[in-house]
Amino acid sequence: DAGVTQSPTHLIKTRGQQVTLRCSPKSGHDTVSWYQQALGQGPQFIFQYYEEEERQRGNFPDRFSGHQFPNYSSELNVNALLLGDSALYLCASSFGTGFFMAGYTFGSGTRLTVV
Amino acid sequence: AQSVTQLDSQVPVFEEAPVELRCNYSSSVSVYLFWYVQYPNQGLQLLLKYLSGSTLVESINGFEAEFNKSQTSFHLRKPSVHISDTAEYFCAVSDGSSASKIIFGSGTRLSIRP
Repeated sequence: DAGVTQSPTHLIKTRGQQVTLRCSPKSGHDTVSWYQQALGQGPQFIFQYYEEEERQRGNFPDRFSGHQFPNYSSELNVNALLLGDSALYLCASSFGTGFFMAGYTFGSGTRLTVV
Repeated sequence: AQSVTQLDSQVPVFEEAPVELRCNYSSSVSVYLFWYVQYPNQGLQLLLKYLSGSTLVESINGFEAEFNKSQTSFHLRKPSVHISDTAEYFCAVSDGSSASKIIFGSGTRLSIRP
């Protein structure tokens, strides 16, 4: 049973460029959340997708956007990259929202380096 | 908004010694509490969770955590650590009354000395 799959594993981009990161949730999961983890820090919540809609959003600018597809997979897009966007981007999947949520399953992340 | 405070950024201990990693959260009517572990260059793995019921929860590899509502704490303990426990540990909280985002603490790096 595949867990959460993220691609690519590593990525180097130049300031001002745009990037798309991809995530396939664990089988049976329908909710995808994205986190940014800067070096030496805890993961910061970016947003969450459920039923192809953004349900919650953390304190991130509009340069960060996402999408969820009918098969529950998800993309994270970042426009106009800044050096400060360099981080490990983690995707986490779960089943349902609210009361029925019981923890996330995380992927191994995409390491984004902006130069 | 929910928040989590991990009081120690680094905890060095000797192998086979006991360890406690401290975690406090901001109060809410209902909370779900989690401990995640992150090994180098990997994603996060769920170690244990408190949803309801018994305030003492255990993991399969000997860790335990106790939910203390009066002190708003969820400290992680292990009576005897192994070299293989070397990792970053994150305490996390979710407000069960709304959508299910999980808020993480800043992490505690556990380093085990032989």
